[in-house]
Amino acid sequence: EAEVAQSPRYKITEKSQAVAFWCDPISGHATLYWYRQILGQGPELLVQFQDESVVDDSQLPKDRFSAERLKGVDSTLKIQPAELGDSAMYLCASSRAATGYEQYFGPGTRLTVT
Amino acid sequence: SQKIEQNSEALNIQEGKTATLTCNYTNYSPAYLQWYRQDPGRGPVFLLLIRENEKEKRKERLKVTFDTTLKQSLFHITASQPADSATYLCAQEGYSGGYQKVTFGIGTKLQVIP
Repeated sequence: EAEVAQSPRYKITEKSQAVAFWCDPISGHATLYWYRQILGQGPELLVQFQDESVVDDSQLPKDRFSAERLKGVDSTLKIQPAELGDSAMYLCASSRAATGYEQYFGPGTRLTVT
Repeated sequence: SQKIEQNSEALNIQEGKTATLTCNYTNYSPAYLQWYRQDPGRGPVFLLLIRENEKEKRKERLKVTFDTTLKQSLFHITASQPADSATYLCAQEGYSGGYQKVTFGIGTKLQVIP
C-alpha cells in the first residue's frame, strides 16, 4: 500500500539554526499539505499545494518559514532561523484532489529546538 | 471565522460499550466532515468521510452522522475494544477565501477499559 514518506523522523536543532523537512506524497496525489501539531492540539495547516502552486499559506510564518513543491511531486518545508516555539510535530499529507477526498498522512517529523 | 469544536476531555468507556464522540461547528455548514484516528507519535489515519447531503455513514463498527440543523457530527464505535484507544480527530472541509480548506479539531482521547 502506498504511503506518504517524510524525513527526518526526528530533528534536534539549536535556536537560530536552519532546518528542513522533506515529504514525498503518494504518487498521483495532486494536493499536498504541511501541518504543524503541538502536543494536545489538532493539526494546524501551514501550507497547501495544488500541484506546484500554493493555494493557502495564510498560517505560514513567512518571515522564517518557506515551502516549495517545484515539480509538483515532493516538497520541502524550511525554517530559518528556528525558534524555541517551533518545537512540534510537522506532518505532511496528500490527497487525490483538494475537495472531497481523504488525506493520507506521513509519520511526521518531531522537531525539538533547544 | 469557521470553528470546529471537539470535547477536549478524555472519554473513558468499558470494553464492549458504544463510544460516542461529538464534533460541533459554527457558522456555515461544511461540505464534508472527516474523522481520523491518531495514535501517540504517529500521523492521523483516515476513517470516514460524510458529505453535507448524507445523514449517516457506516464502516464495520464505525458510524458517523451529520446533522446540519444541530451543526453537529457524531462518531460512534460499537462493541468497543481496548485497541480502539486513541485520539479521534474531526475535520471539516468547506470553502474559505475562494478555495476548499480543511480545518481540524483538537481531538478527543478515547480510552477503552478492559
